[in-house]
Amino acid sequence: AQKVTQAQTEISVVEKEDVTLDCVYETRDTTYYLFWYKQPPSGELVFLIRRNSFDEQNEISGRYSWNFQKSTSSFNFTITASQVVDSAVYFCALGNQAGTALIFGKGTTLSVSS
Amino acid sequence: SQTIHQWPATLVQPVGSPLSLECTVEGTSNPNLYWYRQAAGRGLQLLFYSVGIGQISSEVPQNLSASRPQDRQFILSSKKLLLSDSGFYLCAWSWGYGYTFGSGTRLTVV
Repeated sequence: AQKVTQAQTEISVVEKEDVTLDCVYETRDTTYYLFWYKQPPSGELVFLIRRNSFDEQNEISGRYSWNFQKSTSSFNFTITASQVVDSAVYFCALGNQAGTALIFGKGTTLSVSS
Repeated sequence: SQTIHQWPATLVQPVGSPLSLECTVEGTSNPNLYWYRQAAGRGLQLLFYSVGIGQISSEVPQNLSASRPQDRQFILSSKKLLLSDSGFYLCAWSWGYGYTFGSGTRLTVV
């Protein structure tokens, strides 16, 4: 069975702090895709990144970076120098090669205060 | 370009009333379509997905049903709403390995 675990329910930081959101996944598929989405208070899901199971290179995009480690089945997300606008719920999700529905973690609520 | 439309944005319905939420996709054909629900303070739960017209898979037994009368139209329905149906409903479509979500419908059952 496929499963995504985001153990951190809520995280509170002060602006300019770095913060890492954890994501651990379970799957028996050898080919799969991992995603991170941001859900601001307005509710829509904003796509952040997609990573396939064959590409373990870490990725950096501005203040965002992702650490994918198959050995520990983790796909962690780090925000460097956090800002108030980063306050949102962040979801990690898993999809298989067939392109069927994404399986989401329960989300981590990030609160960044000034 | 592809876009996804979902309406209404908010809805307040009494217990026992019917429900119909609509989702349409533009700019693509034969997309995979999905309905998710997010209960207050909780994660996203897959309700239904469809790989083609008239093909609906249900993930969770419940008070809801889905239909796909046209290739790019996905409808979520209920004959009689329950209080527990309250939540944020998101429609999504996928192409290959990408997924796009609608803006969501916030349903409150009173």
